[in-house]
Amino acid sequence: QKEVEQNSGPLSVPEGAIASLNCTYSDRGSQSFFWYRQYSGKSPELIMFIYSNGDKEDGRFTAQLNKASQYVSLLIRDSQPSDSATYLCAVRSGNMLTFGGGTRLMVKP
Amino acid sequence: DTAVSQTPKYLVTQMGNDKSIKCEQNLGHDTMYWYKQDSKKFLKIMFSYNNKELIINETVPNRFSPKSPDKAHLNLHINSLELGDSAVYFCASSPPANYGYTFGSGTRLTVV
Repeated sequence: QKEVEQNSGPLSVPEGAIASLNCTYSDRGSQSFFWYRQYSGKSPELIMFIYSNGDKEDGRFTAQLNKASQYVSLLIRDSQPSDSATYLCAVRSGNMLTFGGGTRLMVKP
Repeated sequence: DTAVSQTPKYLVTQMGNDKSIKCEQNLGHDTMYWYKQDSKKFLKIMFSYNNKELIINETVPNRFSPKSPDKAHLNLHINSLELGDSAVYFCASSPPANYGYTFGSGTRLTVV
């Protein structure tokens, strides 16, 4: 059974702070790793993907991957109230994307 | 232009009824999916089709039957609806290899 684990939160950070979201996965054969953002009542939206160990930066977002530890993280710098949402970690093996349960992030003004 | 579109957006129906949800994508992707998101927001895969061929069929009651008339369309038919079927159903599509999915806007199904 392939599993993707996330802390459900809520994770509360003040506006302007760094939000750190974490995810672990069980399938060592996983090939690619994704972070989706889902606002309440909306569909998941892809915000970051990473394939190789290390960091990948895109604007205020940085994805980090450590395959040896089976760990993926997402850092959001200068958090804004508009970043308040549920963040879903997803891991792809072959054609299948397995999602974690999501971490609810609340950014307080 | 909506990349992945689902209809209807909301569906309220009585127990025992049969209903269908339709999905269409204009991204040229070969693979399409149905996911179910329950009240705890957990997204679980149900089915996947690659170029009209069923490739993933997770443990789903056989009251659920997907149909893919062509690679741009994937429909979901549900027979004898039960209260536990109430959820949001998302259609998604993806290109091959290690890319993420693009999701439709979801269909909120409520069985009363």
